[in-house]
Amino acid sequence: NFMLTQPHSVSESPGKTVTISCTRSSGSIVSNYVQWYQQRPGSSPTTVIYEDNQRPSGVPDRFSGSIDSSSNSASLTISGLKTEDEADYYCQSYDSSNPWVFGGGTKLTVL
Amino acid sequence: EVQVVESGGGLVQQGGSLRLSCAASGLTFSRYWMHWVRQAPGKGLVWVSRINSDGRSTNYADSVKGRFTFSRDNAKNTVYLQMNSLRAEDTAVYYCAAGGNSEIDYWGQGTLVTVSS
Repeated sequence: NFMLTQPHSVSESPGKTVTISCTRSSGSIVSNYVQWYQQRPGSSPTTVIYEDNQRPSGVPDRFSGSIDSSSNSASLTISGLKTEDEADYYCQSYDSSNPWVFGGGTKLTVL
Repeated sequence: EVQVVESGGGLVQQGGSLRLSCAASGLTFSRYWMHWVRQAPGKGLVWVSRINSDGRSTNYADSVKGRFTFSRDNAKNTVYLQMNSLRAEDTAVYYCAAGGNSEIDYWGQGTLVTVSS
């Protein structure tokens, strides 16, 4: 079974750019799509990135996703940070043996 | 507008059973894979189970395999999660979600399951 490892927390100032990493423990990060979900306090999750770098309609282009095969990791980058971006962010992927795996989540503080 | 609405959560004793329901509207339900994801209090998201669009294929997390059964009724735009032999560690908010086999498009608001010991 593989794991997805995320930093426990990150913080940045409004207007700045932050990147959240998601490192896959085994198997290639490029073999299966990575998704990113945002969960604001007290709310259900919402999808902000699917299929590595695709944004659902309604998600601002300040959110972007990428894959780095050299580090076997995915990244979520949020530019022009707003206080409303403060939330927990989870990456998710899969393989044939593990239908779905979530990362442990990263708490983003915008201060 | 797409809506995904869970119901059936509540308090149950350890070893007991509970059936969650999830009704979806505003989408072509029979085209979507459906998922259950849970979140223990103060913890992260954990995938529980998924069912394909016609209901013929299901997958489960190891932690619930053999105890939980996921089914769907496309005529009613509803899925069900039958949870048996419940344990304290099953206590969580259970989210129903609609999407594909690899991603979620729509999430429900969640229903709380509390297993008392």
